[in-house]
Amino acid sequence: KAGVTQTPRYLIKTRGQQVTLSCSPISGHRSVSWYQQTPGQGLQFLFEYFSETQRNKGNFPGRFSGRQFSNSRSEMNVSTLELGDSALYLCASSLAGSKNIQYFGAGTRLSVL
Amino acid sequence: KQEVTQIPAALSVPEGENLVLNCSFTDSAIYNLQWFRQDPGKGLTSLLLIQSSQREQTSGRLNASLDKSSGRSTLYIAASQPGDSATYLCAESGGSYIPTFGRGTSLIVHP
Repeated sequence: KAGVTQTPRYLIKTRGQQVTLSCSPISGHRSVSWYQQTPGQGLQFLFEYFSETQRNKGNFPGRFSGRQFSNSRSEMNVSTLELGDSALYLCASSLAGSKNIQYFGAGTRLSVL
Repeated sequence: KQEVTQIPAALSVPEGENLVLNCSFTDSAIYNLQWFRQDPGKGLTSLLLIQSSQREQTSGRLNASLDKSSGRSTLYIAASQPGDSATYLCAESGGSYIPTFGRGTSLIVHP
């Protein structure tokens, strides 16, 4: 069974640009969650999508948005990038959310210059 | 705001030692607690998930316990090996089902 796939693995952007990250969950999983990991703040929850609907949202500005498609694949978008957005962005899939075991992808390393 | 604290932040031990990693949480309405392993620059690998109705879970050399009354969980690693070197994170989920992660314990097991 294929694991969680995140693309791209690495990204370099400049301030003010926007970026879209992609996450393909494990087959059969309907929940996809996104996290930001930085040395300063650790792992922080961004949002969770379940059956194409945003079910939970963390404390991040509106520049961070996401969506989920009918095949459960999810995208995360960050607009007007800031230096502080440099981080490892992780996505996790599960059958139904944090009630179940979460399986993480390898992450996308975003560097904002 | 819920908080999760992991102690110690770093640990270096010789191969073969039995280890205890600690995780404390403030959420009195915890639903479950999950332990993860993260290798440098990689994603997280789930190790054990304990539901609030359970006291412990075991997988191979790993045993995790949960004490809701004291707000603590421990991860016990038996007979540590160099391949166990990684950062170990715990995450608790409460009524909101939004996981709160600790900052992790960085473990080095040297031969």
